[in-house]
Amino acid sequence: EAGVAQSPRYKIIEKRQSVAFWCNPISGHATLYWYQQILGQGPKLLIQFQNNGVVDDSQLPKDRFSAERLKGVDSTLKIQPAKLEDSAVYLCASSSGQHNSPLHFGNGTRLTVT
Amino acid sequence: AQSVTQLDSQVPVFEEAPVELRCNYSSSVSVYLFWYVQYPNQGLQLLLKYLSGSTLVKGINGFEAEFNKSQTSFHLRKPSVHISDTAEYFCAVSGGGTSYGKLTFGQGTILTVHP
Repeated sequence: EAGVAQSPRYKIIEKRQSVAFWCNPISGHATLYWYQQILGQGPKLLIQFQNNGVVDDSQLPKDRFSAERLKGVDSTLKIQPAKLEDSAVYLCASSSGQHNSPLHFGNGTRLTVT
Repeated sequence: AQSVTQLDSQVPVFEEAPVELRCNYSSSVSVYLFWYVQYPNQGLQLLLKYLSGSTLVKGINGFEAEFNKSQTSFHLRKPSVHISDTAEYFCAVSGGGTSYGKLTFGQGTILTVHP
């Protein structure tokens, strides 16, 4: 089966600019996650979707970050305006949503804010 | 609240030697425990997981881990490492139910295998 697809792989922007990341989960996977991985740290959960609804966005900085999954398939994560501390790898993961089903991670988008 | 501490940020080891990567966790509820591996410029790949049952868990690539509830530890071991095991390893914890995929990760341990 095809894995979780993310694009772009790399993005460099200046602070105060906006940026968007795209994720296409494994076909049929109901649950989708966005994680932020800052250099030298473990990934941190930003938001969890179940189909097209948000389950948990308690750790999403909502003043500048937004995410959507309108049709319950693809998802986009947006940052506007970006800050230097947003430099990180943004990982998308999906799972079938069934009991104890494993997470499958994409290769991530590496964002550099200058 | 849950937290994970990986006790070593870097572990150098020679090829064919044994290795142990240490992980301690804290949680006020029952947890599920995971080890993931991340190769450069790639996403995370699941090595193994503990959900319940036997405290010794075997995973892919010859890795195993032991859940110790009294010591709140979940150390990862491999009896003989290969060059290809060079990567960063993350220990993670989650709760059950809808919290299953909400992973809390440790800081990571970089394993470097030397010839």
